[in-house]
Amino acid sequence: AQKVTQAQTEISVVEKEDVTLDCVYETRDTTYYLFWYKQPPSGELVFLIRRNSFDEQNEISGRYSWNFQKSTSSFNFTITASQVVDSAVYFCALSSGSARQLTFGSGTQLTVLP
Amino acid sequence: ETGVTQTPRHLVMGMTNKKSLKCEQHLGHNAMYWYKQSAKKPLELMFVYSLEERVENNSVPSRFSPECPNSSHLFLHLHTLQPEDSALYLCASSQGGSYNEQFFGPGTRLTVL
Repeated sequence: AQKVTQAQTEISVVEKEDVTLDCVYETRDTTYYLFWYKQPPSGELVFLIRRNSFDEQNEISGRYSWNFQKSTSSFNFTITASQVVDSAVYFCALSSGSARQLTFGSGTQLTVLP
Repeated sequence: ETGVTQTPRHLVMGMTNKKSLKCEQHLGHNAMYWYKQSAKKPLELMFVYSLEERVENNSVPSRFSPECPNSSHLFLHLHTLQPEDSALYLCASSQGGSYNEQFFGPGTRLTVL
């Protein structure tokens, strides 16, 4: 069985603050993939990143960065210098060999205030 | 058209109605998915089609009936729904299986009266 936990239901920050969204996953497989998606108010999920279990290098893309730590089964997402347009629900997801499907966390509602 | 499109965007139906949701992907992918997103719940995978063959069916009630006539089109036929079926229904596509990123449509907001 696989499981994704996003303990932070809602986060509010003021524009230009940095914010980290937590994601903890569970799987018995050694090969798996982790994802982050953004869901703005329009409803469409937007793919942000995919990371496989053999690549623990952290990744940076503009103001976005991801910290993957297998030792703590975490794949956290940081937005630097947040902007109002970052306001959305962010989902972490896991796909592992035995499950053959993508399992989503419950999402974190991020609100960036001007 | 680009990406994944869904129609209609909003649908209100009575419990005795029959309606269909349509999804079309313009990405050349070979797998398509239906998800249900209810308030305060994680996304729930309903159906997966790979190469037009249904490969996953997550114990979805028979009042939901999927159809995949080709790799670009996916339908969800609805009949005798219940009020608790009101949700956002999202379609997605990917190249290959769940290890690859899925691209989502904007969803159909369904309200069952």
